[in-house]
Amino acid sequence: DIQMTQSPSSLSASVGDRVTITCRASQGISNYLAWFQQKPGTAPKSLIYAASTLQSGVPSKFSGSGSGTDFTLTISSLQPEDFATYYCQQYHSYPWTFGQGTKVEIK
Amino acid sequence: QVQLVQSGAEVKNPGASVKVSCKASGYNFASFGISWVRQAPGQGLEWMAWHSPYNGDTNYAQKLQGRVTMTTDTSTSTAYMELRSLRSDDTAVYYCARGRRHAIYWYFDLWGRGTLVTVSS
Repeated sequence: DIQMTQSPSSLSASVGDRVTITCRASQGISNYLAWFQQKPGTAPKSLIYAASTLQSGVPSKFSGSGSGTDFTLTISSLQPEDFATYYCQQYHSYPWTFGQGTKVEIK
Repeated sequence: QVQLVQSGAEVKNPGASVKVSCKASGYNFASFGISWVRQAPGQGLEWMAWHSPYNGDTNYAQKLQGRVTMTTDTSTSTAYMELRSLRSDDTAVYYCARGRRHAIYWYFDLWGRGTLVTVSS
């Protein structure tokens, strides 16, 4: 199975900060990587697929990059609605696997 | 409106089975894949199963093989996930997610709101 490791597991940031979350795959997955946002008590929301392509309706403050084994999700200017847990997921090989999540909290 | 509507919460005894439904609306159900993902309380996301619309194949997470069955009914645009021999560690919110094609692969672009399944005696 491909292991997905996110870092950090949690972070504290202020409104307006630039935030970067990293995701590392245990083997190469080309760009078959997605990012999701989840707020407490709600379903995940799809943000990015193909490592860097924004889903329809996702604001441009979110961006993704990477290929192979190393990927990043960046939020350019953190807003109150962005405080949530973020997950990466590889869809290159079965079983599809998720990172353990990164919780973004208010400083 | 494009959406996935899931069935309501369930409480089951250990050893029982549960069947969760996911009804799609607002799009051509037969043109997209569908998957099941679960989340235990306070934990991360765990992929369970995937159904491809192109060849009808279904793939399951190995740890659930033999206990989980995913089916689809294109006449009602509904996907089902049945989990048998329930244990306490199957207590989780179960999500369905729509799969959209990326090259020869599939990614999730739409999620249901989730169905809480509680396994307790």
